[in-house]
Amino acid sequence: KAGVTQTPRYLIKTRGQQVTLSCSPISGHRSVSWYQQTPGQGLQFLFEYFSETQRNKGNFPGRFSGRQFSNSRSEMNVSTLELGDSALYLCASAPLHFGNGTRLTVT
Amino acid sequence: QKEVEQDPGPLSVPEGAIVSLNCTYSNSAFQYFMWYRQYSRKGPELLMYTYSSGNKEDGRFTAQVDKSSKYISLFIRDSQPSDSATYLCAMSEGDYKLSFGAGTTVTVRA
Repeated sequence: KAGVTQTPRYLIKTRGQQVTLSCSPISGHRSVSWYQQTPGQGLQFLFEYFSETQRNKGNFPGRFSGRQFSNSRSEMNVSTLELGDSALYLCASAPLHFGNGTRLTVT
Repeated sequence: QKEVEQDPGPLSVPEGAIVSLNCTYSNSAFQYFMWYRQYSRKGPELLMYTYSSGNKEDGRFTAQVDKSSKYISLFIRDSQPSDSATYLCAMSEGDYKLSFGAGTTVTVRA
């Protein structure tokens, strides 16, 4: 059974740009959660989607958004990137199994 | 004060030793307790998952939950160099939002 797939693995963006990250959960799982991991703040919950609906949201600014498609794949978008958005973005499938993340660097 | 407190270490032990990790928490609504292992450049890997108070054993790993003290532990017996990683505790009220500790970096010396 395939695990959680996140693409791309690495991204380098410039301040002010926007970025879209993708996550495919384990087959059959309908929930996808997103987390931000930084050395200073650790792992922080961003939001969770279930059957295309956002069910839960963490304490992040509105620049962070997401969506889920009918096949359960999810995308996360960060607009107007800031240097502090540099982090490992992790996706979890229903709700315990994580992918290997997307490493975002903002310069 | 953070909702979940975990000593970041680092912790260094000789091969074969018992590794003892713990977390404390302040939210009495937490019901589900997890331990993850994370290697460098990888995502967290679920090691143990427990509900409510008590002990759970899986191979060399034992997880303990004491809800009255708001304290959870993970013990790794017969530690191996391959156990060198960051260990994260996580908790949930029952929804799909996990609250994590800061993670403890463990090195097992051969």
